[in-house]
Amino acid sequence: KAGVTQTPRYLIKTRGQQVTLSCSPISGHRSVSWYQQTPGQGLQFLFEYFSETQRNKGNFPGRFSGRQFSNSRSEMNVSTLELGDSALYLCASSLADGDYEQYFGPGTRLTVT
Amino acid sequence: DAKTTQPNSMESNEEEPVHLPCNHSTISGTDYIHWYRQLPSQGPEYVIHGLTSNVNNRMASLAIAEDRKSSTLILHRATLRDAAVYYCILRDISYIPTFGRGTSLIVHP
Repeated sequence: KAGVTQTPRYLIKTRGQQVTLSCSPISGHRSVSWYQQTPGQGLQFLFEYFSETQRNKGNFPGRFSGRQFSNSRSEMNVSTLELGDSALYLCASSLADGDYEQYFGPGTRLTVT
Repeated sequence: DAKTTQPNSMESNEEEPVHLPCNHSTISGTDYIHWYRQLPSQGPEYVIHGLTSNVNNRMASLAIAEDRKSSTLILHRATLRDAAVYYCILRDISYIPTFGRGTSLIVHP
């Protein structure tokens, strides 16, 4: 069974631009969560989607948004990029929302210049 | 949000047991304790989770203190492949996971 895939793996953007990251969960998994990882703040929860509905949201500004499609694939969008948004963005999937066993993808490395 | 405290780093020799501690003194009654690990250049990997009782699986054991204010992840025989950052995580009733800073485990051959 294929694991969680994230595209693109690397991305360079400039301040003020917007970016869309994509995540394909493991087949049969209906819940997708997004995390931001930085050296300074560590791993921080962004949001979780289940059956196309956002179930939980972390403490991030409204510039960070996401959505989930009927096939469970998910995208996250960051608008008006800031230098501090440079991070590794990780996607994790699980069978159901609130499931304790999450499977993480390799991440998308976003660099904002 | 309940928080976790872990040592920044620990060292072990290969094939020896490793005990990774985690303090979570503000844990609530409905918080589950999870452990994930992150190998270099990879996303985190689920290790184990528990609520009150000690838990065992093929990867590790989780020992939870009676008052639930601390827990210990036990790797019974460390291998070089176990070198990673280990995260102790609490997942509250709203299911928002709070990650600690993690413990970097160094395994010496």
